[in-house]
Amino acid sequence: SAVISQKPSRDICQRGTSLTIQCQVDSQVTMMFWYRQQPGQSLTLIATANQGSEATYESGFVIDKFPISRPNLTFSTLTVSNLSPEDSSIYLCSVVSVLDTQYFGPGTRLTVL
Amino acid sequence: DAKTTQPPSMDCAEGRAANLPCNHSTISGNEYVYWYRQIHSQGPQYIIHGLKNNETNEMASLIITEDRKSSTLILPHATLRDTAVYYCIVRLGASGTYKYIFGTGTRLKVLA
Repeated sequence: SAVISQKPSRDICQRGTSLTIQCQVDSQVTMMFWYRQQPGQSLTLIATANQGSEATYESGFVIDKFPISRPNLTFSTLTVSNLSPEDSSIYLCSVVSVLDTQYFGPGTRLTVL
Repeated sequence: DAKTTQPPSMDCAEGRAANLPCNHSTISGNEYVYWYRQIHSQGPQYIIHGLKNNETNEMASLIITEDRKSSTLILPHATLRDTAVYYCIVRLGASGTYKYIFGTGTRLKVLA
């Protein structure tokens, strides 16, 4: 299985600011995803992070609000821009291994005041 | 897109088998069923997956009906540490373009 780390593990941010979350994997992977989990809810797929090209966003998520970078096969960032209290969630990155199994990072807990 | 339906919650006595059902009646022929669990808002943990045949590993067994419209995750001897939210997921797309869409999950409580 892949070992995935996320930074920061948690943060408290002010309204109107932005937070960038980093996701690092210990091996090269083809597919990386970003999910959001709102309080008490299931996981919602935000986007697929594509290496060397623009991310593929799911319905309801736009690049201006959730810009994503993926400069190589082991690293990706998700920025949550112009924060509002509604953005308070856990943000998770995940990767797909060579055996087509998805593994998740520990998550980043964001609180917006 | 295939969707999954799960009961919102279940209880199970410690030491007994926990049987968690999942309905995926719109699943397509090449779409796999995956199961994950999430404990205390940690990152979801992979449990097992399958396409048609029943599968077993050190954590659980997965029983998929012949028509593939439903499946059951079996934890053979539930312990208190198995208390978690269990998600049944259908993997969409082809290799290199997969998407894993989560349903609402089942909150399993294992009782002492």
